[in-house]
Amino acid sequence: AIQLTQTPSSLSASVGDRVTITCRASQDIRSALAWYQQKPGEPPKLLIYDTSSLQSGVPSRFSGSESGTDFTLTVSSLQPEDFATYYCQQFNSYPLTFGGGTKVEIK
Amino acid sequence: QVQLVESGGGVVQPGGSLRLSCTASGFTFDIYGMHWVRQAPGKGLQWVAVIWYDGGKHYEDSVKGRFTISRDNSKNTLFLQMNSLTAEDTAVYFCARDVLDMATIADAFNIWGQGTMVTVSS
Repeated sequence: AIQLTQTPSSLSASVGDRVTITCRASQDIRSALAWYQQKPGEPPKLLIYDTSSLQSGVPSRFSGSESGTDFTLTVSSLQPEDFATYYCQQFNSYPLTFGGGTKVEIK
Repeated sequence: QVQLVESGGGVVQPGGSLRLSCTASGFTFDIYGMHWVRQAPGKGLQWVAVIWYDGGKHYEDSVKGRFTISRDNSKNTLFLQMNSLTAEDTAVYFCARDVLDMATIADAFNIWGQGTMVTVSS
């Protein structure tokens, strides 16, 4: 199975900060990567699909990119509603897998 | 509106069985791949299974032979039959819709239900 390693596992940031989360795949996943945001007691919400495509209705401060097997989610200016846990997911091959998550907390 | 609603969760003894349902509304159910994803308490997300619009299925290794995914398109409902349950199956189970329609390859999940809790305990 393809392993997705997310770093950091948690971070503290302030409103307005630029935040970057990395997801490293254990092998080539051909850009088949999505990012989700999850708040406590809620289901995940799709933010980014196909590495860099912004899901409809998601603010443009969210963006995704890749460099080889390293994938990055960037929040350009963190807003109060962005404090949550973020997950990457690969859908290149079965079993579909998720990263371990990154919890973004208020500094 | 587009919606997925899970039901069927509960407390079951180790070795027992449970059948989860996910009822869809607001979209053409029978042209989409549908997934089950679970989340153990305080843990991350784990994909469980998918059923494509043509009936093709795939499973995560730890549930193969124990779980069966199915769908009833006439009732816009997705199912997950879970047998031989263990404590490691304790989780919130979400159903989710694949982004692509008329597809048999996976993409991201853009519609999620609120989840149903399954607790395996004696």
